[in-house]
Amino acid sequence: DARVTQTPRHKVTEMGQEVTMRCQPILGHNTVFWYRQTMMQGLELLAYFRNRAPLDDSGMPKDRFSAEMPDATLATLKIQPSEPRDSAVYFCASGLAPSGTEAFFGQGTRLTVV
Amino acid sequence: GDSVTQMEGPVTLSEEAFLTINCTYTATGYPSLFWYVQYPGEGLQLLLKATKADDKGSNKGFEATYRKETTSFHLEKGSVQVSDSAVYFCALSDLGDKIIFGKGTRLHILP
Repeated sequence: DARVTQTPRHKVTEMGQEVTMRCQPILGHNTVFWYRQTMMQGLELLAYFRNRAPLDDSGMPKDRFSAEMPDATLATLKIQPSEPRDSAVYFCASGLAPSGTEAFFGQGTRLTVV
Repeated sequence: GDSVTQMEGPVTLSEEAFLTINCTYTATGYPSLFWYVQYPGEGLQLLLKATKADDKGSNKGFEATYRKETTSFHLEKGSVQVSDSAVYFCALSDLGDKIIFGKGTRLHILP
C-alpha cells in the first residue's frame, strides 16, 4: 500500500531551536508539496517541487524556513530559529504530474513551539 | 490568482439528512476540481474529482458536478451517516500545477 510517510508525527521544541521535518513521497511521484494547517489560516501551501526542483516557495517565510529534496525519496522542511507562531500541523503530499493531478497526503507532523 | 471559496462551518445534521456543501472557484485556466476529506488526526484523503465541465465525480455516496458556467463544484450526499463526520475541503489544480484549497467545512452528524 503506497503512502506518503512523514516523521516525526509529533514534535515539541523550545523557541529558537532548529526543527527538521522529513517526508518520503510515494515511489515514482515527481511532485512534492509542503502545506501548513492552522485553525486560523486553514491549509496554506508553503512550497512545492517538481522532479526535485523547487517550483514555488512563495508561501514560505524565507528568513527562517527552508525546503529541500536531497534525493527523490526524501523531502525536508527546516525551521531555524523556530517561534511559537510556527506551531501548526505540517503536511507533505506527493503526486504525479502531468498524468495525475491529485495529491496524496501524509499524516502530518504536529509541531508545538513553546 | 486562483482561489477556492467554500461555505463556512460547522455544519450539523442528523443522520440520514441530505447534505450540500457549497464551493465556488476562481481560476485563470481550466482547472481540475477536487473534494478532499480529513478525519481527526489524519491527513487529507481524496474523496472525488472532476477534470472537465459537466463531469460528475462520485465516491462513497458523495457527488459533485463541475459547473463551468457558475464556477461551482458543490458536494452533495443524499443520506449522511455518523461516520461522515469530518472536515471537507474543496480544491483546484490548474494545468497540473499546485493544488489550492478552500478553508474547509467541518461536518458533524448526530445519531
